[in-house]
Amino acid sequence: DARVTQTPRDKVTEMGQEVTMRCQPILGHNTVFWYRQTMMQGLELLAYFRNRAPLDDSGMPKDRFSAEMPDATLATLKIQPSEPRDSAVYFCASALLTSGDTDTQYFGPGTRLTVL
Amino acid sequence: GENVEQHPSTLSVQEGDSAVIKCTYSDSASNYFPWYKQELGKRPQLIIDIRSNVGEKKDQRIAVTLNKTAKHFSLHITETQPEDSAVYFCAALGYSSASKIIFGSGTRLSIRP
Repeated sequence: DARVTQTPRDKVTEMGQEVTMRCQPILGHNTVFWYRQTMMQGLELLAYFRNRAPLDDSGMPKDRFSAEMPDATLATLKIQPSEPRDSAVYFCASALLTSGDTDTQYFGPGTRLTVL
Repeated sequence: GENVEQHPSTLSVQEGDSAVIKCTYSDSASNYFPWYKQELGKRPQLIIDIRSNVGEKKDQRIAVTLNKTAKHFSLHITETQPEDSAVYFCAALGYSSASKIIFGSGTRLSIRP
């Protein structure tokens, strides 16, 4: 049963520190999404990649957030420097999107980030 | 861009009764409408989806209806059970949004025993 994995599952850090979250998409999936979930904002799309290329990162604060896919099996989301308002659960999701059709997004377990 | 509105934000129903959650979308090019269930502390999981060439889809106690003319779709849960308590998200995806799924704001469903 293939699943999206994320590390770490929980991260507590102090304001100003760098945070790196990692995601391993389901093998063979070509699209990776990063979401942030808070009680106030619900599920916000931060960025997504197709075949490792960034397609849209308009939901991401550019000054402190960066997202990359070093290879097809790893996506990273980095926050530098972190701020208390970044505290949230960050989900990664992957999907196999083919031309002319769509497919289900499968979510990872999330990384719960707390910035003190 | 696409905008998805979801109502109600909270819903409480008696066990055994039906629950209905409604969503509207703005992009007429949207062609895929998934519904996700998220239990407390867990990841969102797909429970049912519908594509634009179909008006209704059913899977046991769960059904989804789609009205493309009115640009709205609904989730129906019949014979609700305690394990149905969760937050439900609707979503819409269309070509004009570059295959970016837009989620509704969520409905917190509580089943009263």
